[in-house]
Amino acid sequence: GENVEQHPSTLSVQEGDSAVIKCTYSDSASNYFPWYKQELGKRPQLIIDIRSNVGEKKDQRIAVTLNKTAKHFSLHITETQPEDSAVYFCAARGGGFKTIFGAGTRLFVKA
Amino acid sequence: KAGVTQTPRYLIKTRGQQVTLSCSPISGHRSVSWYQQTPGQGLQFLFEYFSETQRNKGNFPGRFSGRQFSNSRSEMNVSTLELGDSALYLCASSRLAGGPFQETQYFGPGTRLLVL
Repeated sequence: GENVEQHPSTLSVQEGDSAVIKCTYSDSASNYFPWYKQELGKRPQLIIDIRSNVGEKKDQRIAVTLNKTAKHFSLHITETQPEDSAVYFCAARGGGFKTIFGAGTRLFVKA
Repeated sequence: KAGVTQTPRYLIKTRGQQVTLSCSPISGHRSVSWYQQTPGQGLQFLFEYFSETQRNKGNFPGRFSGRQFSNSRSEMNVSTLELGDSALYLCASSRLAGGPFQETQYFGPGTRLLVL
């Protein structure tokens, strides 16, 4: 069945450093890859997404890259700040009307 | 526009009971998906509805069911509750879904269900 693997499960960085979270998907029909940030006790919020016809997308300090051949996509956060501390989820969605989420990465940004 | 709303926000039930959760999508959104979130399992897909039709279902037992009304509001029902059903149940809506027209899903605040 469809699967999305996400690594690492926990990531601790110093304020100002970069953070990278990687995901691998199994369904080759996947064509939409959103990233969500979930703070404690809150709903997941979309932070960036990428479609399969694009290899990279950037929004200020956040960027996502997609390698369709390898079925990999990654989230890059530069100049991390304490408020970036949260759980981040990657996801993949294809023609089956189903979004499969990774298990999440808990990011700690130390001041 | 108002965001996705879910009711109730918190619920306590006992084993064997049944429960119905409600989700009102953003106005104009026709796709509603449901997810179960637990600390150990992350976000697990339950089912997706579009124009009152269930288009896909996740790997959950038949005790989990849902429906969507003509105004796009959706309900999910869990019968014969088990302790393991304790979780945060999230719904998410989008305007369109599927094929080349993938659009952002917006999540509701969730319903936290505790089964005793």
